[in-house]
Amino acid sequence: DTGVSQNPRHKITKRGQNVTFRCDPISEHNRLYWYRQTLGQGPEFLTYFQNEAQLEKSRLLSDRFSAERPKGSFSTLEIQRTEQGDSAMYLCASSPTGQNQETQYFGPGTRLLVL
Amino acid sequence: GENVEQHPSTLSVQEGDSAVIKCTYSDSASNYFPWYKQELGKGPQLIIDIRSNVGEKKDQRIAVTLNKTAKHFSLHITETQPEDSAVYFCAAHPRWEKEGSHKGGAGSYQLTFGKGTKLSVIP
Repeated sequence: DTGVSQNPRHKITKRGQNVTFRCDPISEHNRLYWYRQTLGQGPEFLTYFQNEAQLEKSRLLSDRFSAERPKGSFSTLEIQRTEQGDSAMYLCASSPTGQNQETQYFGPGTRLLVL
Repeated sequence: GENVEQHPSTLSVQEGDSAVIKCTYSDSASNYFPWYKQELGKGPQLIIDIRSNVGEKKDQRIAVTLNKTAKHFSLHITETQPEDSAVYFCAAHPRWEKEGSHKGGAGSYQLTFGKGTKLSVIP
């Protein structure tokens, strides 16, 4: 399977705990995106990487959220001191360079439940 | 910023009938419009997309039309089947800045999504 992969697929945590999610983009895609999706809504943009550089961050990305892509391949999204409002599906997407650079391919998501 | 509105929020059709979902966008700089299908518990799957230099695109039973003047675009599914039942999302993407021009520039790389349409195809 050469699609975007995300781990874990599900995470249940208690309020106040830290959680970390991983995204492996499609091979050779140098652009990687994180989105958050709550029930009944469309995905909302969180942040974007081009190679290892984080180039854009949404206002949704509070200071408790941090994302990295240290070697320009996989990325991690960490949420510190989780709150119940952080419960959502966290989606990762990647896109290629060249002609179809706007085309974003999504992974299966990590569903987070904060108790 | 961009705002995308999607209608209807729910749609039920009989198997074999056509389904149409409509979206409007606010930013005239947007020039790429993908449609995604999302099944329960899964990530969005790209099903078709259209760029602003094209008015219509078709792929088997799925077609998308774009009216840049009116800033709206639509998804058309013909001969619907039960496996078409899912939530469909439209999205808009601004004009991509040329490679390297993001430095110090105001380019945006995000997709702005509508709120989705839950399509139910009744056998």
